[in-house]
Order: sequence, then structure tokens, then C-alpha cells
Amino acid sequence: NAGVTQTPKFQVLKTGQSMTLQCAQDMNHNSMYWYRQDPGMGLRLIYYSASEGTTDKGEVPNGYNVSRLNKREFSLRLESAAPSQTSVYFCASSQGGSYNEQFFGPGTRLTVL
Amino acid sequence: GENVEQHPSTLSVQEGDSAVIKCTYSDSASNYFPWYKQELGKRPQLIIDIRSNVGEKKDQRIAVTLNKTAKHFSLHITETQPEDSAVYFCAASINDYKLSFGAGTTVTVRA
Repeated sequence: NAGVTQTPKFQVLKTGQSMTLQCAQDMNHNSMYWYRQDPGMGLRLIYYSASEGTTDKGEVPNGYNVSRLNKREFSLRLESAAPSQTSVYFCASSQGGSYNEQFFGPGTRLTVL
Repeated sequence: GENVEQHPSTLSVQEGDSAVIKCTYSDSASNYFPWYKQELGKRPQLIIDIRSNVGEKKDQRIAVTLNKTAKHFSLHITETQPEDSAVYFCAASINDYKLSFGAGTTVTVRA
């Protein structure tokens, strides 16, 4: 089992460009999450999907959109990238809600110039 | 919303000594408190968690304590080893699906 996988691992964008970060899990988990990690700020929730077909905003959703494509896949889209979106992005999944262990992907390091 | 404060931001300990990290939370409705460990360049991984109906939980050299009245919880690592060097994050549940994370503590174990 690969667990939670993310693509790409690294990405450099210019301001205004768009891109989609991909995430997939093979643990048959119901819930999936997108976080960003910035120095000194911990992990901040961008969006989450409690179950297939549902998505909800987290703590910092502005500038992002998500799609729960199926039970396995949860993508994060930046429509018009800004330097403030330079960060490390982690996808995670869990069997149920926040009372269950969240399994994280390896992360995507995004730089917006 | 929930606000989780974590202290200290950095902690240096001698190998074999104990390390303690403290977190406070603001929402009295929070009832689940996990701790995640992130080694350099790696992904965060759950190391221990505690629910609000329990005051203390141990797993080998790691223990977590919870004081609901004071709204704080702590991570205790005993007999520290070099492999304990990492960034540790506390978190508190906001609702059934959201976690609010602390800013992290960088622990360095000196040989």
C-alpha cells in the first residue's frame, strides 16, 4: 500500500499562473484534507472533504478550490497564484473525522515568484 | 474559532533527560487532542492522542496529560534519544472534522 501520495513534489509558478495539486489515498478512507505549512505557523487547514461528494472550507480557504473526484482522490487548485501562497502543502486522509488518525502525504513544496 | 498556543517554540535537551511541551486551547468544546511528530523533510505522523474523558495516557517513553479545567495539555518524553529530535505539533479538535494545530516545537536532543 502506498498510503497517501501527492504530485508534484516541487513546483515553481509565476504570479497569476494556475495549477492543480493532486492527492490520492489507497486506504479506503472516507475523509480527506488539504493543509498548508508555513514556518512558525504550524499546519493550517485549507479545505476538507468529510466524505465522497462533500467539501467544506477550513481555516484559510481564500484563493483555493478543491474537488473530491472520487473516494480516492482529492485535488487542490490555485486559480491565480500569489506569492503569499508559497508554502508546503500536505494532503491527509482519515477513516472518519478528526477523532481518527490523519495520515499525511509527502508534501508539495510550492514557490510562487 | 479554536486557538491553540504551543510552548516552547524550541527545546534543547541532553540525551537521557526529559522533554516537556505544553499547549493551551480556547474552545471548551474541544474534546480530542492529538500530537504529531515531523522529522526533518518528512511528513507529520501521529505519535499519541488523548480524549477529553481521560486525564493521562502513556505509550512507552511518551505520555500526554490533559487538564480540561485549565484548558491545557502537555507532551512528556522521558529518556530522550537522538531519534526524538523533530518538530512536534499539538492539535485540538474544532468539530467532527477540523483540527487546529499549534505552531510547533523544535526538539533537539544533544548527544
